[in-house]
Amino acid sequence: NAGVTQTPKFQVLKTGQSMTLQCAQDMNHNSMYWYRQDPGMGLRLIYYSASEGTTDKGEVPNGYNVSRLNKREFSLRLESAAPSQTSVYFCASSEEFPTEAFFGQGTRLTVV
Amino acid sequence: SQQGEEDPQALSIQEGENATMNCSYKTSINNLQWYRQNSGRGLVHLILIRSNEREKHSGRLRVTLDTSKKSSSLLITASRAADTASYFCATLRTDSWGKLQFGAGTQVVVTP
Repeated sequence: NAGVTQTPKFQVLKTGQSMTLQCAQDMNHNSMYWYRQDPGMGLRLIYYSASEGTTDKGEVPNGYNVSRLNKREFSLRLESAAPSQTSVYFCASSEEFPTEAFFGQGTRLTVV
Repeated sequence: SQQGEEDPQALSIQEGENATMNCSYKTSINNLQWYRQNSGRGLVHLILIRSNEREKHSGRLRVTLDTSKKSSSLLITASRAADTASYFCATLRTDSWGKLQFGAGTQVVVTP
């Protein structure tokens, strides 16, 4: 099983550009997450989806939008990238009541 | 603000020594989980402890939970160079169904 797959792995954007980070899981999980990881800050939750068709804001949702396209896929969109969004982005999935979250390998995003 | 805070931020030990790190959190939880992150990789689940449990073991890992103090500790016994990684606690809050929130992590370096 592939688990959680994120694309792309690396991306450089110019300020103001838009892009979508893709995430797919093959474990039939209901819950999916987007986190960002910055040095010294740990992981901060951007958005959360408890099931297909539902999304909920996390700690740092400003500047981002998400789509839970189906049970497998959960995408994160930056409409107008800013340097403050330079970070490593992780997608994760879990059962509805998480006893364990499974993480992708991350997307390293640089906004210049 | 983040739910969990790990202490210390960094820990350097020699192979064979024990490594202890702590996690404090702010609100009532359903469970608390510990994850490991090797450099440049995604997070990997280590162990979960439920709010009605006080101690759990898994191999060389020992986790304790004190809900009255809102704190947890992770002990790695007889550490190995391969234990070099960052360790994060994550909490499942009772007031935030399904959302896992992470602390800033403890960076552990084990020297051969």
